[in-house]
Amino acid sequence: DAKTTQPTSMDCAEGRAANLPCNHSTISGNEYVYWYRQIHSQGPQYIIHGLKNNETNEMASLIITEDRKSSTLILPHATLRDTAVYYCIVINNNDMRFGAGTRLTVKP
Amino acid sequence: DSGVTQTPKHLITATGQRVTLRCSPRSGDLSVYWYQQSLDQGLQFLIQYYNGEERAKGNILERFSAQQFPDLHSELNLSSLELGDSALYFCASSPRTSGSGELFFGEGSRLTVL
Repeated sequence: DAKTTQPTSMDCAEGRAANLPCNHSTISGNEYVYWYRQIHSQGPQYIIHGLKNNETNEMASLIITEDRKSSTLILPHATLRDTAVYYCIVINNNDMRFGAGTRLTVKP
Repeated sequence: DSGVTQTPKHLITATGQRVTLRCSPRSGDLSVYWYQQSLDQGLQFLIQYYNGEERAKGNILERFSAQQFPDLHSELNLSSLELGDSALYFCASSPRTSGSGELFFGEGSRLTVL
């Protein structure tokens, strides 16, 4: 399975855009990039996913580089409630393994 | 509300005991995944079932077992419990067997082993 690398932690000012990077240099052609977040000890929540094209939904935008070796999750206007651990996952089968994720802290 | 229900929410037991955690997936979802999350640790994938059959296995101990029933609910059985088994156990469901990572997670069952 492709593996991902994310920074351990990041800070962001409230109201500013939060840009969370993820490296997945061994990704193969049919593997999707998924993002989840976990607020405190709640169940993880799906955010967005993509294969090749950039994607946007009501929660976030996902920018995938042309070589697909990295991606960035963008929260356009971060709020205090966006403080969470964000997981980037690459999958193409049943094995949904999560890495350590990035702990994003949104500060007032 | 994800639509995935896990019971019990909290459970306290002693070492050596056996417990069963239950998961009801979202209506219509055929896949169920189990994860373990110890304190301040990441999510460890344990096992996945699809329509009653085991589909993928992760870092699940031999003392642990799971099954998915015809009504699609799933149970995770933990036996000969040790202090290190104290953790949050999450269940997630998905409508597909593979190729889709959009999982819907329950709120977890917090197990404390004393």
